[in-house]
Parts: sequence; structure tokens; C-alpha cells
Amino acid sequence: NAGVTQTPKFRVLKTGQSMTLLCAQDMNHEYMYWYRQDPGMGLRLIHYSVGEGTTAKGEVPDGYNVSRLKKQNFLLGLESAAPSQTSVYFCASSQGQGTGVYEQYFGPGTRLTVT
Amino acid sequence: GEDVEQSLFLSVREGDSSVINCTYTDSSSTYLYWYKQEPGAGLQLLTYIFSNMDMKQDQRLTVLLNKKDKHLSLRIADTQTGDSAIYFCAEMRPSSNTGKLIFGQGTTLQVKP
Repeated sequence: NAGVTQTPKFRVLKTGQSMTLLCAQDMNHEYMYWYRQDPGMGLRLIHYSVGEGTTAKGEVPDGYNVSRLKKQNFLLGLESAAPSQTSVYFCASSQGQGTGVYEQYFGPGTRLTVT
Repeated sequence: GEDVEQSLFLSVREGDSSVINCTYTDSSSTYLYWYKQEPGAGLQLLTYIFSNMDMKQDQRLTVLLNKKDKHLSLRIADTQTGDSAIYFCAEMRPSSNTGKLIFGQGTTLQVKP
């Protein structure tokens, strides 16, 4: 049981390049989330999904797209990377509605630098 | 305000108690959480409190909730060097049926030997 895994762990991009971050969970969780973490700003929600085939915008969605084609995977795409997207990206998952506590399980993070 | 607020840094001596404070935004938030982030790792749920509780104790951890002032605190008794980490408080607002959390900026706890 690996929990939540993220690929890659580190990446350096040039401005304008594109990339996809992959998140996978093996806990059969319904809900999945993408956050970015910047110094002094905590975690900000980029996009989230409440089930396979569904996605929704979070607090800071501009410049990112997501897809949830399979329940266990949640992909985060940057179509044209900008230096402002330099950050640490975390994926998280939780069980669905009705479980009350909504504990979120986090992956180890992807450190992205855009030059 | 709209933000969950925490002080950014706290330094204590090993064996002392640590108290990390948080002010949240919505007095009717259903659950309030404390997450811990160790260096280079993701966040891990430390403890949570339901909004109809005033206090929750779990071994060395005590969570106090003051709904009137929208204030949440985490007390760590007998703080150890292994407790050095960033601590985030988070709230789940009542309108959320998607498990979305609003996080504070995080408090870095430094434990000196």
C-alpha cells in the first residue's frame, strides 16, 4: 500500500515549456486535490476532483489544467510554464462524502523550478 | 477576514511545552485540523476537532477551540527534537461537501536541545 505517490519528484522547466505532473493513489479514494506550496503562503488549492471524470477549479487555477480519467490518477498540466509557477506541488486524496472527517492523505511533493 | 492566520515561527527548548495558535475565518466551520509537515515531506494529519467540541486531548497533544473568537490552538507537551516541523491549521467550511480545506500559512516549530 503505497498511499499517494507523485511523479516526478523534481523538475526544471524553461519558460513556455509544458509538462504533466502525475498523482496516483491506491486507497480507492473518491476525492483528489492539487495544491501548491509557496513560502509564507501555506497551501493553496489549484484544482480538485470529487470523482472519476469530474474536475473543478480551486483557489488558484489559472495556468493549470487537470484530468481524472481513472479514479486512482489525477494529472496536473502546465501548458506554458511561467516563473510564477515555481513552487512545490502536492497531491492529496480523501474518502468521499459521508465519511465526515475528510482526512486528506498527501503525496511527497514535486519541486518545480521554471527559469 | 478571509484568511486562516498563524504566526510563522516558534522556538522552544526540548522538554518545554509548545503552543501554536491559529485564527480561522468561519465560526460555523465543521472540522478544524492540525497537519504536520516534516522537512522534504508531504503533510500528515496530526489531529482534528469537531466544531461542537471545546477541547480534545491525544497523548502529548491538546487542541483547544474557542468558537466565539474563532481561535484554535495546539499544545504539545514535553516537546522533543522530533517535533521540529511546520504545523498547519486548516478549516473545512460548512458549505463544503467536497472536503476542501483552507490552510493557514504554517508555523515552523524549532526545538532546541
